[in-house]
Amino acid sequence: EVQLVESGGGLVQPGRSLRLSCTASGFTFGDYAMSWVRQAPGKGLEWVGFIRSKAYGGTTEYAASVKGRFTISRDDSKSIAYLQMNSLKTEDTAVYYCTRPFDYWGQGTLVTVSS
Amino acid sequence: NFMLTQPHSVSESPGKTVTISCTRSSGSIASNYVQWYQQRPGSAPTTVIYEDNQRPSGVPDRFSGSIDSSSNSASLTISGLKTEDEADYYCQSYDSSNWVFGGGTKLTVL
Repeated sequence: EVQLVESGGGLVQPGRSLRLSCTASGFTFGDYAMSWVRQAPGKGLEWVGFIRSKAYGGTTEYAASVKGRFTISRDDSKSIAYLQMNSLKTEDTAVYYCTRPFDYWGQGTLVTVSS
Repeated sequence: NFMLTQPHSVSESPGKTVTISCTRSSGSIASNYVQWYQQRPGSAPTTVIYEDNQRPSGVPDRFSGSIDSSSNSASLTISGLKTEDEADYYCQSYDSSNWVFGGGTKLTVL
């Protein structure tokens, strides 16, 4: 059974950093791209970015709203994808979902950026 | 970048059929696959259609997807509506370096 479990969310002050993790199981993690999607309270889904598998260079793409502040990485030996979030803003407050494009989603982790 | 436009809300009665549209603003709807996600209140999204018209295992065949190049849009059709289908539905597509989500459609089954 495919499972994606996000962790690392919480309350953080504006300008600070936070790293989210997505621990995967039930499939060969290294064979797949992984992505992050977020949802602000009461709003729709917003794509954050994705990382390709090593077979496709392991390269990353980001939404304009987070480019230069957020970094996605992966550790295939541990089946974990990471989302490093720097220079956080109040508008980054959201539930962050890890997804295996385009089929499986995690349950999400809440990030609240507030002073 | 392109946009995907969905109706804000739709409603229909149990047992009936409803279709939710998703119109691409620029570029061909056929150039990249379209996915559809269901999100019930308080829950994470789940995939109900991927690659335009494919259903993941476990998704009932009451759910179907299609694309129409003439209107540059994709559609999600749910037949035999059940109260459990009441949820937000999002379409999603992509180009070479960006994913795009539609704004979501709230389906009310009443």
